[in-house]
Parts: sequence; structure tokens; C-alpha cells
Amino acid sequence: EDQVTQSPEALRLQEGESSSLNCSYTVSGLRGLFWYRQDPGKGPEFLFTLYSAGEEKEKERLKATLTKKESFLHITAPKPEDSATYLCAVQAEGGYNKLIFGAGTRLAVHP
Amino acid sequence: GAGVSQSPSNKVTEKGKDVELRCDPISGHTALYWYRQSLGQGLEFLIYFQGNSAPDKSGLPSDRFSAERTGGSVSTLTIQRTQQEDSAVYLCASSLEWSGFHFAYEQYFGPGTRLTVT
Repeated sequence: EDQVTQSPEALRLQEGESSSLNCSYTVSGLRGLFWYRQDPGKGPEFLFTLYSAGEEKEKERLKATLTKKESFLHITAPKPEDSATYLCAVQAEGGYNKLIFGAGTRLAVHP
Repeated sequence: GAGVSQSPSNKVTEKGKDVELRCDPISGHTALYWYRQSLGQGLEFLIYFQGNSAPDKSGLPSDRFSAERTGGSVSTLTIQRTQQEDSAVYLCASSLEWSGFHFAYEQYFGPGTRLTVT
């Protein structure tokens, strides 16, 4: 069964304190791994797509990496405005286009 | 450009009543998806539309749930005889259609409809 597990469930950081969020996945064949950011009361906002092991993508203070079993979202020198829930999702081969989501990591960055 | 829009943003209904939720996808996106996000649970897939047809309905929780899409654009999710366990945020997303030549297209989400069944 295709599955996505995110850790930690919640993370509290001081402004400027870098850290990483983990997304472990089990999928029959990976078509793509996606990272989203979700603010309270809003829909998920697309951040990155990763396709193959070794791939990396960056956007401002965020960097996403992918291995054959997991993905990391690295946050460098976070600011309070980076506070949100970060969601990881996979799209499996042969499964039409549906995304399978993890439960998310709630990030709080304090000044 | 305009993103995915959903209406209403909030809906409160009594148990047993029917509700309709609407989604207007990004122009040019032929793929449309419905997901549900319940308190304490992650986003769960409900249904996928390719144009006006739904090749994957595997996530619909019961036969009280149905969805349609017309003109390859607007979609409506209908829940009949609502139950309290239907209370959740219903999210719609759209994307370009996977052609087989691109690994995967990102899905863009609307703001959601918060459904409360009393």
C-alpha cells in the first residue's frame, strides 16, 4: 500500500535556527513527490516537485531533496513568516493522478 | 492569472440535508480533483476528473457522495443525506493532464469549502 509519513508532527524554531522536515514514503513506483505549504484556513500552496533520487530544488530559504525512500525539506535561517504546515505528497505510477498526502509538519518560528 | 475558486467558503447544514459544493478550476486545466481534509486527518483523495469523465472515483466514501463536471470546467460535489462525520474541509485542485511525456504535473488547490453538519 502506498504510504507517506512525515516527521516531526510539530516543530518549534527560533528565528534563524535552521532545521529539516522529513517525509518517508512507500510507493510502488514514484512518478513525483510534491511539497506544499498550508496556512490556517487556506488551501495548500505548491512549493516543489521532485522526480528522481538525488534531485534538489531551492526557493528562498527552502531546499527540498529526494532519495529513494525519503525527502527532506531544509529550512535555512527561518523567519516567522515561514510558520505554516508543510505537506508532503506522492503520485504513484499507475494510480491515475491522485496525490497521497502525509499528515504534515506544523512549523512555528518565533522571533 | 485566476486560481482555483470554490464556493461557498463555508456551509452549515443540518444532518440529513443535501449539499452541493462548487469548484471552478484554472482555465486550461483539464484535470480536476476533489480532496477532503478532516480535523486530525490528512488530505484524502475523493475523485479525479479527466475532462468530463471520472476514471478514478476510488476515494468517495459512500454512495451518498457524487460529483460531476460539465464543459470540461466547473465541477460540483454533492453529498446527500449529510451526516456529522461528513464535516470537513473539501478542497478542489486542478492541473494540466499527465501526458506520459512529463513525469507529473503539480496540482493547484482552491481555498476549500468548510462544511459543518449539525
